[in-house]
Amino acid sequence: GAVVSQHPSWVICKSGTSVKIECRSLDFQATTMFWYRQFPKQSLMLMATSNEGSKATYEQGVEKDKFLINHASLTLSTLTVTSAHPEDSSFYICSARHPQETQYFGPGTRLLVL
Amino acid sequence: AQSVTQLGSHVSVSEGALVLLRCNYSSSVPPYLFWYVQYPNQGLQLLLKYTTGATLVKGINGFEAEFKKSETSFHLTKPSAHMSDAAEYFCAVSDSRNTPLVFGKGTRLSVIA
Repeated sequence: GAVVSQHPSWVICKSGTSVKIECRSLDFQATTMFWYRQFPKQSLMLMATSNEGSKATYEQGVEKDKFLINHASLTLSTLTVTSAHPEDSSFYICSARHPQETQYFGPGTRLLVL
Repeated sequence: AQSVTQLGSHVSVSEGALVLLRCNYSSSVPPYLFWYVQYPNQGLQLLLKYTTGATLVKGINGFEAEFKKSETSFHLTKPSAHMSDAAEYFCAVSDSRNTPLVFGKGTRLSVIA
């Protein structure tokens, strides 16, 4: 099956710093990628839809200036958490839409902000 | 707007017993339906999907699900549970090939030896 990677798999940072998370589709091109956030023992919450070559579409309540998304190529989307605070600590998961329309998910990035 | 309801946040079965995880959806258009599995601290793995055609869908690891339009359901089943099936299972729906998935709250499956 199609493979989506995320880097880093986990990160610990100090409050106020910025963290960049990469999402790559390894064996297919993805014009659309999605970013989700998952709190412990809860479901996935869609944060934004990332489209290659255009601005991301953010869900209601998600601050676009805090969660910067860049989809610079057909295989890479990045999520930057700017000026991170402890409440941003979470599990961030990306997915990439395969040309055959199925979404494939990355392994997730666990962020801990101290 | 679409929504997904997964009945039972936690299901526990004995090893070798039938697994039944329930999923009901609401959609104003013919839905695309998915089941994903998540192991601890990992991403989601696609188990199976329904888009069009045969309503009984077979997936990986012996799982299958049946789309029942009249019941707006897409329950996941497996005849015989294995210990390795213990995980979190998410049902998801979308209304087209181009819209994001809407996830249910998930059901944690425990398998007892």
